Amino acid sequence: GAVVSQHPSRVICKSGTSVKIECRSLDFQATTMFWYRQFPKQSLMLMATSNEGSKATYEQGVEKDKFLINHASLTLSTLTVTSAHPEDSSFYICSASMRGAGTGELFFGEGSRLTVL
Amino acid sequence: AQSVTQLGSHVSVSEGALVLLRCNYSSSVPPYLFWYVQYPNQGLQLLLKYTSAATLVKGINGFEAEFKKSETSFHLTKPSAHMSDAAEYFCAVSDFAGANNLFFGTGTRLTVIP
Repeated sequence: GAVVSQHPSRVICKSGTSVKIECRSLDFQATTMFWYRQFPKQSLMLMATSNEGSKATYEQGVEKDKFLINHASLTLSTLTVTSAHPEDSSFYICSASMRGAGTGELFFGEGSRLTVL
Repeated sequence: AQSVTQLGSHVSVSEGALVLLRCNYSSSVPPYLFWYVQYPNQGLQLLLKYTSAATLVKGINGFEAEFKKSETSFHLTKPSAHMSDAAEYFCAVSDFAGANNLFFGTGTRLTVIP
């Protein structure tokens, strides 16, 4: 089956530092990757959509300069939280759609829990 | 535009009892519908999906869901709950236009009582 892997699964950082989270599709090419943020006991909020080789499309209210997304290849997308602050602490999840698949199914990573001290 | 409503943010059932998690959707085009399960501190796992084939969809772990267009519903059921079913469940609808984006409901936390 299609596997999406996120790294790191947990990260703790000091306020003001930047953190990079990787999302990889291990056994398929991903035309599009999505980044979500999940607050405790809430649903996933779509942050941005990224297509390989092009700029990410951010949802309303998401700061593009704060959450940098790079989709350098068909198997890798990265989310960088710049100058992180405690309010950025959250569970970040990525998903990927398989190239050529038309059912709308997305494959999710395991999530990355960010804690900013 | 697509949206999903999950009635009941928290459902408790006894072990061995029927599980029923409700999901109603709104879509201006024929929808693709999904149920995902999330265990603590983990990503989402696909339970089952409806993609305009059979209206009764069987998924993993004994779960199934029935697409009812007249009721715009896609409720998730399991005849007999196990302790391992305790988790957060999300219903989602896909944008048929091909964006492959998913619109999630707010989730239902299932508690299984021994």
